[in-house]
Amino acid sequence: QQQVKQSPQSLIVQKGGISIINCAYENTAFDYFPWYQQFPGKGPALLIAIRPDVSEKKEGRFTISFNKSAKQFSLHIMDSQPGDSATYFCAASIAGGTSYGKLTFGQGTILTVHP
Amino acid sequence: EADIYQTPRYLVIGTGKKITLECSQTMGHDKMYWYQQDPGMELHLIHYSYGVNSTEKGDLSSESTVSRIRTEHFPLTLESARPSHTSQYLCASSDPRLNTEAFFGQGTRLTVV
Repeated sequence: QQQVKQSPQSLIVQKGGISIINCAYENTAFDYFPWYQQFPGKGPALLIAIRPDVSEKKEGRFTISFNKSAKQFSLHIMDSQPGDSATYFCAASIAGGTSYGKLTFGQGTILTVHP
Repeated sequence: EADIYQTPRYLVIGTGKKITLECSQTMGHDKMYWYQQDPGMELHLIHYSYGVNSTEKGDLSSESTVSRIRTEHFPLTLESARPSHTSQYLCASSDPRLNTEAFFGQGTRLTVV
């Protein structure tokens, strides 16, 4: 059962454009939603994360928007740069207790930013 | 950059061989995880550990086994490798006491021929 659905599978944007990746989850017990960035040959690295008590979190050019009622969250990359070209994964977990750190991942989005 | 290391980075091995993928972290994290990343990119949790002598199976069934004799070390073993085991294996760790995120190693790409 796919608990976190991510779209699109691939995304091509021009330098300076906005990249938007969307995720939807099913398990209402999830209360921690990180985004990971993965470059070829590397393991995923945490990019930004949000908890459901806020609707938006911004760190530099990266913003997470969260809609608890719709069970959806999205990553926005403003002023996209060629160096942002990577695979992006949304994830969800239950913060705290024995489930902390057990991430359920989306399918991934390959982002290509053209110069 | 997180201090979590996986060896080997790449491994090509014949069917039927026993293999052990190594994972070590120097952050003193109690929780460690193994994820399998299939060719379609999606990551699936196959094993996790809350601490020494604690191991549990993850969401995706796997024929591999793990052990946790020391906090810093979480090796994964396949007793008899098969081509269906060809995949990328990623190790991660986290420390809930410090509310830290899951840090990933660079992965081991395993090919069974």
